[in-house]
Amino acid sequence: DAKTTQPPSMDCAEGRAANLPCNHSTISGNEYVYWYRQIHSQGPQYIIHGLKNNETNEMASLIITEDRKSSTLILPHATLRDTAVYYCIVRVGFMNYGGSQGNLIFGKGTKLSVKP
Amino acid sequence: NAGVTQTPKFRILKIGQSMTLQCTQDMNHNYMYWYRQDPGMGLKLIYYSVGAGITDKGEVPNGYNVSRSTTEDFPLRLELAAPSQTSVYFCASRTLGTGSNGELFFGEGSRLTVL
Repeated sequence: DAKTTQPPSMDCAEGRAANLPCNHSTISGNEYVYWYRQIHSQGPQYIIHGLKNNETNEMASLIITEDRKSSTLILPHATLRDTAVYYCIVRVGFMNYGGSQGNLIFGKGTKLSVKP
Repeated sequence: NAGVTQTPKFRILKIGQSMTLQCTQDMNHNYMYWYRQDPGMGLKLIYYSVGAGITDKGEVPNGYNVSRSTTEDFPLRLELAAPSQTSVYFCASRTLGTGSNGELFFGEGSRLTVL
């Protein structure tokens, strides 16, 4: 599996955009970038994922560089409730993979603190 | 749907005791997982199951056992509790198939302390 590198912590002012970087320089062509977050020791929550193209949903946007060696998760208007640990995970696509190929490996993530 | 439900939420065990953490999901998901999370760390995979009757080891299976007799349930058994098993345990599930983004659904966690 490709490994990811994230900063251990970041701060963001409430109402501003939070940009969380992730490096995955050894990513393979069939590996997706997934983002999850964990709020105060609750179970992790899926945010978004992508392969090559930028993706957006109701929670966030994912920007993947053209060479796919890094990506950025963007929370457009961060709120206090977005304070959490954010995990960037690289894995082969789930859709048709069974067994261990579908398993997610969580690192330490980035602790995002949104401040008033 | 209730999603993924774990019980108990909290438990204190003495060294050498045994217990089972229960996990059930009502989404008819094929895949189920058990993770543990130590303070300040990421999640580590203990065991997983790709369907009823099929289980396999993850990264840190020693000291644990699992079974999957039904699609809904995936209990995690600790046979001889040790202080190193003090952790928060998360159960998760996902479906498999085209059209699925592979999203993992997690339970709220079970906090286990072994003294």
